[in-house]
Amino acid sequence: DTGVSQDPRHKITKRGQNVTFRCDPISEHNRLYWYRQTLGQGPEFLTYFQNEAQLEKSRLLSDRFSAERPKGSFSTLEIQRTEQGDSAMYLCASSPPFRQGATGELFFGEGSRLTVL
Amino acid sequence: GNSVTQMEGPVTLSEEAFLTINCTYTATGYPSLFWYVQYPGEGLQLLLKATKADDKGSNKGFEATYRKETTSFHLEKGSVQVSDSAVYFCALRKAGNQFYFGTGTSLTVIP
Repeated sequence: DTGVSQDPRHKITKRGQNVTFRCDPISEHNRLYWYRQTLGQGPEFLTYFQNEAQLEKSRLLSDRFSAERPKGSFSTLEIQRTEQGDSAMYLCASSPPFRQGATGELFFGEGSRLTVL
Repeated sequence: GNSVTQMEGPVTLSEEAFLTINCTYTATGYPSLFWYVQYPGEGLQLLLKATKADDKGSNKGFEATYRKETTSFHLEKGSVQVSDSAVYFCALRKAGNQFYFGTGTSLTVIP
């Protein structure tokens, strides 16, 4: 069983460019999350999908950010008109269907590091 | 609101020393509590968890007890190894699907 995979692992872009990150969750995990992590901070919640439905979005997710999970499998996170403040590690995590007694822990990918020059 | 407060680092210990990393939380109801670990160059991995008061989570020699009366979930290990050098994150999960993470505590173990 493979873990959560993210692509690309590193992205360097110029301010104003658009970038897209992809996340492939663990198979059969119906829940998928995007987090952002900056240096010295813990992961901050961005958005959450259950199957293909985007159920929660953080205030951190400005209108330049959009996430999709079109078939309930992989997900993409796009950042338009990038700014230097967008430089961070973007983490994807997945979680299996909720069952009574389960704790619903997250399984993280290794992250996609974005540097905006 | 929901939040997690972690002991600030960095923490540097000699091999075989005792480790405590403090974590307290603010939440209504009964959250599940977690410790995640991030080794250099790797993603976050679940270290241990507890789902209700007085539960003790344990893994790889690490332990943490869910203390509702003190709203704490302190991480302990009796004898740390160089391979334990990593960043440790305390987290809570409320009913619903959001996790709230602390800021992380960096641990360096020197031989």
